Amino acid sequence: DGGITQSPKYLFRKEGQNVTLSCEQNLNHDAMYWYRQDPGQGLRLIYYSQIVNDFQKGDIAEGYSVSREKKESFPLTVTSAQKNPTAFYLCASRSRAGTTDTQYFGPGTRLTVL
Amino acid sequence: QQQVKQSPQSLIVQKGGISIINCAYENTAFDYFPWYQQFPGKGPALLIAIRPDVSEKKEGRFTISFNKSAKQFSLHIMDSQPGDSATYFCAASRAGGGNKLTFGTGTQLKVEL
Repeated sequence: DGGITQSPKYLFRKEGQNVTLSCEQNLNHDAMYWYRQDPGQGLRLIYYSQIVNDFQKGDIAEGYSVSREKKESFPLTVTSAQKNPTAFYLCASRSRAGTTDTQYFGPGTRLTVL
Repeated sequence: QQQVKQSPQSLIVQKGGISIINCAYENTAFDYFPWYQQFPGKGPALLIAIRPDVSEKKEGRFTISFNKSAKQFSLHIMDSQPGDSATYFCAASRAGGGNKLTFGTGTQLKVEL
């Protein structure tokens, strides 16, 4: 059963704490992405990675960090420096084979800062 | 700077009617235009996508119309059903630079019986 998994589904954090969101894919995709979704807004790109051990900042990278040590995994850390971390976080992946541009999304993690 | 503008913000359609959602983009380098459907608490799922070399693409009840000169594209949902009630996002990307998607702000569609 191929796809993208994100865990946990719900996450609560106290102010001042770092928290790491998990994203795993078994689609053998090279590229992976992290987006943030807020009510009434579209998805905004936080970070993306096209290959292992390489990643690039998106439009709203401040207060976030990522790593890409394995092709299957692209964890996102929300640091205490992120001023408004409460949001729905979505991970996506894309195959670089051929000319496909389709990004497939995981089910998301809803982060709430208490 | 919002590069993809989507309208309307919300839409109510009667069952069996046509739902139309519009998007306009600014960056002429965009060469891939997908539409995603999202149900509450779920991740977006690709619905249909188009490239600028065609003016229309149809898949079942869903059609994308694309106007390159006007830099606009729209989603038409024919014979709208209550199960189509969801949030729809248009997006755009260009080859290279990670194929990053730029999303519109979404349209919340409700199909009433």
